Order: sequence, then C-alpha cells, then structure tokens
Amino acid sequence: DAGVIQSPRHEVTEMGQEVTLRCKPISGHNSLFWYRQTMMRGLELLIYFNNNVPIDDSGMPEDRFSAKMPNASFSTLKIQPSEPRDSAVYFCASSLGGGPDTQYFGPGTRLTVL
Amino acid sequence: ILNVEQSPQSLHVQEGDSTNFTCSFPSSNFYALHWYRWETAKSPEALFVMTLNGDEKKKGRISATLNTKEGYSYLYIKGSQPEDSATYLCAFTKNAGNMLTFGGGTRLMVKP
Repeated sequence: DAGVIQSPRHEVTEMGQEVTLRCKPISGHNSLFWYRQTMMRGLELLIYFNNNVPIDDSGMPEDRFSAKMPNASFSTLKIQPSEPRDSAVYFCASSLGGGPDTQYFGPGTRLTVL
Repeated sequence: ILNVEQSPQSLHVQEGDSTNFTCSFPSSNFYALHWYRWETAKSPEALFVMTLNGDEKKKGRISATLNTKEGYSYLYIKGSQPEDSATYLCAFTKNAGNMLTFGGGTRLMVKP
C-alpha cells in the first residue's frame, strides 16, 4: 500500500496567489482529515470528511480556505488568496472511519508564502 | 476548546536511560487516546490507541498506560536509544467521534 499521498511536497508562492494542495487517501479509508502544523499552534485539525462529505470544518481559519472531496480517492485544500501567515506544513490523514481509528498521515506539504 | 496537555515539552536523556512523559486530557466524554511518534522531516506515525480505563499497551521498549477517570496517560520508554529521538504526540477523541485533538508534544532527544 502506497500510504497517503500528498502533492506537492513543497510549494513556494507569492502573497495573493491561489494555492491548491492535493491528497489521495489510503484505498478503502472512509475518513479524510486536513491538518496544519505551525510552531505557534502545533498540529491543528482544519476539516474532516466522512464518505466524501464534510463533517466538521470549524478549524478552517477563514473564508480564504476551502476544501473539497469530489470522490473517495481525492481531496483538495485551496487557499485563495494566500497570505504569508498561511506558511505552514499541511498534512492530510485518512482512517477507516469506524471506531477509535488510527489516522495515517501523508508526508505533508510545506507551504511558504512570500 | 479541548485542552490536551503534554509534559515535559522537551527532554534530554542519555542512551540507556528509561524515561516517561505525561498526557493529560478532559476526563468527560472520553472515547479514545492516541499516541503518535513524529520524527523530524517525517509524518506522525501511530504507536497506540487506547480506549479502556486501565489499558496498558506495549510495543517493544515503548509502553503506555491510561487513566480515563483522572484524565491522564503515561508513555514509557525503557533503555532509550538515539533512534528514539522524536516528538511524541498524544491525541484525544471524545464522544465516539474520530476527530483528534492533539497535545503540543514532548520532544525527546537521546544522546549516545
């Protein structure tokens, strides 16, 4: 199994540009999570999906952030327009979706907004 | 806001030392407590998921205990090795959900 796949691994962009991060969960997993890791706030949950439906997006910082999961094998996290304070590592994780599941994390995307 | 707190924030030990650190979490509406190991430049890797009060899990030299009534879990590493150097995260789930709230982590550095 390839595990959770994220792309790109690194992204450097200028303030005001649109950024799209991509995630492919582990095949057969029904839940998908987007996290952001910063020095100040640690690892925080942004949004999670169950069976492709957004369940809780209370962690999404503001309207500039949006996430979609058009099918069971693909999700995107978009930031438009990006700002320097969005610089962080963004992780995607997936789990089977039943019970107290282990979440399996992808390698992360390191985003730098200049 | 759920407060999941870990202590200490960082820890330096010598190779061969045994060590332990603490995760405290809200005891109400408890569902599960997770431990993850996170090496620099990698992604968090699951160690344990615990659900029952009094649970004890073991994986090699690493073990964990759980007290849901008082809201704490301990992670123990016996005979630390340099390759154990990592940040150890705990995460709490409440109410039969699968959303994790992470603590700030304990950064362990093992000197050879």
